[in-house]
Amino acid sequence: GDSVTQMEGPVTLSEEAFLTINCTYTATGYPSLFWYVQYPGEGLQLLLKATKADDKGSNKGFEATYRKETTSFHLEKGSVQVSDSAVYFCALSDQAQKLVFGQGTRLTINP
Amino acid sequence: NAGVTQTPKFRVLKTGQSMTLLCAQDMNHEYMYWYRQDPGMGLRLIHYSVGEGTTAKGEVPDGYNVSRLKKQNFLLGLESAAPSQTSVYFCASSALAGGLHEQFFGPGTRLTVL
Repeated sequence: GDSVTQMEGPVTLSEEAFLTINCTYTATGYPSLFWYVQYPGEGLQLLLKATKADDKGSNKGFEATYRKETTSFHLEKGSVQVSDSAVYFCALSDQAQKLVFGQGTRLTINP
Repeated sequence: NAGVTQTPKFRVLKTGQSMTLLCAQDMNHEYMYWYRQDPGMGLRLIHYSVGEGTTAKGEVPDGYNVSRLKKQNFLLGLESAAPSQTSVYFCASSALAGGLHEQFFGPGTRLTVL
Protein backbone atom coordinates (compact mmCIF):
# COMPACT_ATOMS: atom_id res chain seq x y z
CA GLY A 1 0.00 0.00 0.00
CA ASP A 2 0.87 3.65 -0.08
CA SER A 3 3.31 4.91 2.53
CA VAL A 4 5.18 8.01 3.67
CA THR A 5 8.59 8.08 5.34
CA GLN A 6 9.92 11.12 7.18
CA MET A 7 13.33 11.80 8.64
CA GLU A 8 13.75 10.72 12.21
CA GLY A 9 13.41 13.35 14.88
CA PRO A 10 13.62 15.17 17.06
CA VAL A 11 15.32 18.05 15.26
CA THR A 12 16.77 20.91 17.30
CA LEU A 13 17.99 24.10 15.64
CA SER A 14 18.95 27.62 16.63
CA GLU A 15 16.83 30.56 15.59
CA GLU A 16 17.54 31.77 12.02
CA ALA A 17 19.00 28.41 10.98
CA PHE A 18 18.05 26.69 7.72
CA LEU A 19 15.57 23.86 8.02
CA THR A 20 15.10 20.74 5.92
CA ILE A 21 12.79 17.89 6.89
CA ASN A 22 12.99 15.02 4.44
CA CYS A 23 9.91 13.20 3.19
CA THR A 24 9.71 10.38 0.64
CA TYR A 25 6.67 8.45 -0.45
CA THR A 26 5.56 5.26 -2.15
CA ALA A 27 2.29 5.38 -4.04
CA THR A 28 0.39 4.01 -6.98
CA GLY A 29 -0.87 6.68 -9.32
CA TYR A 30 -0.26 10.36 -8.75
CA PRO A 31 -1.08 11.40 -5.18
CA SER A 32 -1.46 14.90 -3.83
CA LEU A 33 1.13 15.72 -1.19
CA PHE A 34 0.76 17.70 2.02
CA TRP A 35 2.65 19.04 5.00
CA TYR A 36 0.64 19.42 8.20
CA VAL A 37 1.86 21.11 11.38
CA GLN A 38 0.77 20.35 14.94
CA TYR A 39 1.49 22.97 17.59
CA PRO A 40 1.58 21.84 21.24
CA GLY A 41 -1.85 20.84 22.53
CA GLU A 42 -3.59 21.46 19.20
CA GLY A 43 -4.90 19.52 16.22
CA LEU A 44 -3.20 19.37 12.86
CA GLN A 45 -3.25 22.35 10.49
CA LEU A 46 -2.50 22.25 6.80
CA LEU A 47 0.81 24.04 6.15
CA LEU A 48 1.16 23.57 2.39
CA LYS A 49 0.22 21.26 -0.44
CA ALA A 50 1.07 20.25 -4.01
CA THR A 51 -1.10 18.35 -6.45
CA LYS A 52 1.22 17.40 -9.31
CA ALA A 53 4.84 16.91 -10.23
CA ASP A 54 7.08 20.00 -10.01
CA ASP A 55 4.42 21.96 -8.10
CA LYS A 56 5.84 24.02 -5.25
CA GLY A 57 3.71 24.56 -2.19
CA SER A 58 4.55 27.49 0.08
CA ASN A 59 3.20 29.13 3.21
CA LYS A 60 4.62 31.12 6.15
CA GLY A 61 8.13 30.94 4.67
CA PHE A 62 8.02 27.16 4.29
CA GLU A 63 8.35 25.52 0.87
CA ALA A 64 8.19 22.01 -0.56
CA THR A 65 8.46 20.82 -4.17
CA TYR A 66 6.72 17.71 -5.51
CA ARG A 67 9.55 15.65 -7.04
CA LYS A 68 8.12 12.70 -8.94
CA GLU A 69 11.51 11.42 -10.11
CA THR A 70 12.77 11.05 -6.54
CA THR A 71 9.32 10.51 -4.96
CA SER A 72 10.09 13.25 -2.46
CA PHE A 73 8.44 16.28 -0.88
CA HIS A 74 11.06 17.79 1.42
CA LEU A 75 10.06 20.70 3.65
CA GLU A 76 12.40 23.72 3.79
CA LYS A 77 12.57 27.09 5.47
CA GLY A 78 15.40 29.56 5.13
CA SER A 79 15.32 31.09 8.61
CA VAL A 80 13.38 29.39 11.41
CA GLN A 81 11.84 31.11 14.40
CA VAL A 82 11.08 29.92 17.92
CA SER A 83 7.38 29.97 16.96
CA ASP A 84 8.06 27.25 14.36
CA SER A 85 8.58 24.71 17.13
CA ALA A 86 5.99 22.00 16.46
CA VAL A 87 5.52 18.52 15.05
CA TYR A 88 5.49 18.34 11.24
CA PHE A 89 3.71 15.60 9.30
CA CYS A 90 4.15 14.74 5.66
CA ALA A 91 1.12 13.07 4.06
CA LEU A 92 -0.25 11.89 0.74
CA SER A 93 -3.78 11.52 -0.48
CA ASP A 94 -4.26 8.01 -1.84
CA GLN A 95 -6.50 6.84 -4.66
CA ALA A 96 -9.42 6.49 -2.27
CA GLN A 97 -8.85 10.10 -1.15
CA LYS A 98 -7.68 9.08 2.29
CA LEU A 99 -4.63 10.67 3.89
CA VAL A 100 -1.61 8.51 4.65
CA PHE A 101 0.71 10.16 7.18
CA GLY A 102 4.36 9.87 7.97
CA GLN A 103 5.35 9.35 11.58
CA GLY A 104 5.95 13.04 12.25
CA THR A 105 9.10 15.04 13.02
CA ARG A 106 9.34 17.06 16.21
CA LEU A 107 11.12 20.39 15.65
CA THR A 108 12.46 22.55 18.47
CA ILE A 109 13.93 25.98 17.81
CA ASN A 110 16.12 27.51 20.50
CA PRO A 111 16.50 31.29 20.79
CA ASN B 1 -17.54 29.45 12.18
CA ALA B 2 -16.29 26.81 14.64
CA GLY B 3 -14.84 24.39 12.05
CA VAL B 4 -14.40 20.93 13.56
CA THR B 5 -15.18 20.45 17.25
CA GLN B 6 -14.71 17.38 19.45
CA THR B 7 -16.19 16.42 22.79
CA PRO B 8 -14.96 15.59 25.32
CA LYS B 9 -11.42 16.97 25.42
CA PHE B 10 -10.21 14.51 28.04
CA ARG B 11 -11.54 11.25 29.44
CA VAL B 12 -10.32 8.52 31.74
CA LEU B 13 -11.98 5.10 31.49
CA LYS B 14 -11.57 1.80 33.27
CA THR B 15 -11.02 -1.35 31.24
CA GLY B 16 -14.32 -2.65 29.94
CA GLN B 17 -16.21 0.64 30.11
CA SER B 18 -17.81 2.14 27.04
CA MET B 19 -17.91 5.67 25.71
CA THR B 20 -18.74 7.74 22.64
CA LEU B 21 -16.66 10.54 21.18
CA LEU B 22 -18.55 13.20 19.27
CA CYS B 23 -17.24 15.12 16.28
CA ALA B 24 -19.15 17.98 14.71
CA GLN B 25 -18.35 20.14 11.68
CA ASP B 26 -20.13 23.20 10.39
CA MET B 27 -18.50 23.40 6.94
CA ASN B 28 -21.03 21.18 5.16
CA HIS B 29 -18.27 18.68 4.37
CA GLU B 30 -19.14 15.31 2.86
CA TYR B 31 -16.17 13.35 4.21
CA MET B 32 -15.35 12.78 7.88
CA TYR B 33 -12.59 10.77 9.52
CA TRP B 34 -11.46 9.43 12.87
CA TYR B 35 -7.74 9.00 13.58
CA ARG B 36 -5.70 7.94 16.55
CA GLN B 37 -2.29 9.40 17.29
CA ASP B 38 0.30 7.41 19.19
CA PRO B 39 3.92 8.40 19.89
CA GLY B 40 6.24 7.70 16.96
CA MET B 41 3.42 6.36 14.77
CA GLY B 42 1.88 9.42 13.21
CA LEU B 43 -1.86 9.36 12.67
CA ARG B 44 -3.64 6.15 11.80
CA LEU B 45 -7.11 6.07 10.26
CA ILE B 46 -9.72 4.22 12.32
CA HIS B 47 -12.93 4.71 10.32
CA TYR B 48 -14.20 7.21 7.83
CA SER B 49 -17.39 8.30 6.10
CA VAL B 50 -17.94 9.56 2.57
CA GLY B 51 -21.40 10.92 3.30
CA GLU B 52 -24.40 10.86 5.61
CA GLY B 53 -25.42 7.31 6.45
CA THR B 54 -22.16 5.74 5.22
CA THR B 55 -19.14 4.42 7.10
CA ALA B 56 -16.04 2.47 6.13
CA LYS B 57 -13.10 0.85 7.89
CA GLY B 58 -9.69 2.42 7.94
CA GLU B 59 -6.31 1.03 8.92
CA VAL B 60 -7.05 0.19 12.59
CA PRO B 61 -10.83 -0.34 13.01
CA ASP B 62 -10.87 -3.17 15.56
CA GLY B 63 -12.52 -2.30 18.86
CA TYR B 64 -14.27 0.79 17.47
CA ASN B 65 -17.63 1.51 15.87
CA VAL B 66 -18.87 4.65 14.16
CA SER B 67 -22.09 6.24 13.00
CA ARG B 68 -22.92 9.12 10.68
CA LEU B 69 -26.65 9.70 11.13
CA LYS B 70 -26.37 13.41 10.35
CA LYS B 71 -24.04 14.99 7.82
CA GLN B 72 -22.47 17.29 10.39
CA ASN B 73 -21.79 14.66 13.07
CA PHE B 74 -19.51 11.61 13.21
CA LEU B 75 -19.54 9.49 16.36
CA LEU B 76 -16.80 7.11 17.47
CA GLY B 77 -17.75 4.43 19.98
CA LEU B 78 -15.69 2.17 22.17
CA GLU B 79 -17.90 -0.69 23.40
CA SER B 80 -15.39 -2.25 25.82
CA ALA B 81 -12.33 -0.08 26.35
CA ALA B 82 -8.87 -1.63 26.59
CA PRO B 83 -5.57 -0.08 27.74
CA SER B 84 -4.31 -0.40 24.13
CA GLN B 85 -6.90 2.22 23.19
CA THR B 86 -5.16 4.85 25.30
CA SER B 87 -4.39 7.50 22.70
CA VAL B 88 -5.21 10.93 21.36
CA TYR B 89 -8.15 10.83 18.95
CA PHE B 90 -8.58 13.33 16.16
CA CYS B 91 -11.57 13.92 13.96
CA ALA B 92 -11.25 15.55 10.55
CA SER B 93 -13.50 16.55 7.67
CA SER B 94 -13.03 17.40 4.02
CA ALA B 95 -15.09 18.59 1.09
CA LEU B 96 -15.63 16.72 -2.13
CA ALA B 97 -13.68 19.24 -4.19
CA GLY B 98 -11.73 18.33 -7.29
CA GLY B 99 -9.95 15.38 -5.75
CA LEU B 100 -7.83 17.52 -3.45
CA HIS B 101 -9.17 16.41 -0.11
CA GLU B 102 -7.59 18.89 2.25
CA GLN B 103 -8.64 17.77 5.69
CA PHE B 104 -9.57 20.06 8.58
CA PHE B 105 -8.85 18.70 12.04
CA GLY B 106 -10.47 19.07 15.42
CA PRO B 107 -8.45 19.79 18.60
CA GLY B 108 -8.37 16.17 19.73
CA THR B 109 -9.60 14.03 22.63
CA ARG B 110 -7.07 12.56 25.03
CA LEU B 111 -8.31 9.18 26.26
CA THR B 112 -6.69 7.13 29.00
CA VAL B 113 -7.85 3.59 29.69
CA LEU B 114 -6.73 2.19 33.03
